[in-house]
Amino acid sequence: DTGVSQDPRHKITKRGQNVTFRCDPISEHNRLYWYRQTLGQGPEFLTYFQNEAQLEKSRLLSDRFSAERPKGSFSTLEIQRTEQGDSAMYLCASTSTSGVSSYNEQFFGPGTRLTVL
Amino acid sequence: GQSLEQPSEVTAVEGAIVQINCTYQTSGFYGLSWYQQHDGGAPTFLSYNALDGLEETGRFSSFLSRSDSYGYLLLQELQMKDSASYFCAVRDQDDYKLSFGAGTTVTVRA
Repeated sequence: DTGVSQDPRHKITKRGQNVTFRCDPISEHNRLYWYRQTLGQGPEFLTYFQNEAQLEKSRLLSDRFSAERPKGSFSTLEIQRTEQGDSAMYLCASTSTSGVSSYNEQFFGPGTRLTVL
Repeated sequence: GQSLEQPSEVTAVEGAIVQINCTYQTSGFYGLSWYQQHDGGAPTFLSYNALDGLEETGRFSSFLSRSDSYGYLLLQELQMKDSASYFCAVRDQDDYKLSFGAGTTVTVRA
């Protein structure tokens, strides 16, 4: 257990439905990242936050995807009008950019596995 | 863009040594990380190299050559629990964002 939690762990939905995932990072971490991982591939960067500010979005993040981190603590990732191609593991990671020597280490949550039927 | 290459699979016996190579092409470079991921699990941090040379952490060591855009992860005294996927990842900007390779599946046999 890295201290990063994600909910739900699994989500099965029908094409066209909206889904929302939640990530709770390690409390003192100011950076929060979202990645997507498909079978046999490494995690692909989607977006990241510094506190509550969303600083970068990957071109992988279409208009159907939106992410928030309203109080600089937990974050949500919403996918609207899901498509079968959205089926993947969605991983959240957090880190701190100040203080401790482990700032180059990202702490990953267990992920939310999305299946779009 | 970023491009990282690593072998897709490696098989070895318990007690052996395995080296996983990673070559990268990135627009910028701050450092090379290695992560381990067991089936169904989250990636967990193993090491980070920002400067040339070898970093040793227990049975695992990581090496970086910035001039060759190359690094490797060395797994010594392999144990069954080391069966997992191993990813190299480049930090190419000052924002701690990571670009991952496709991963190397290591299978340890008795």
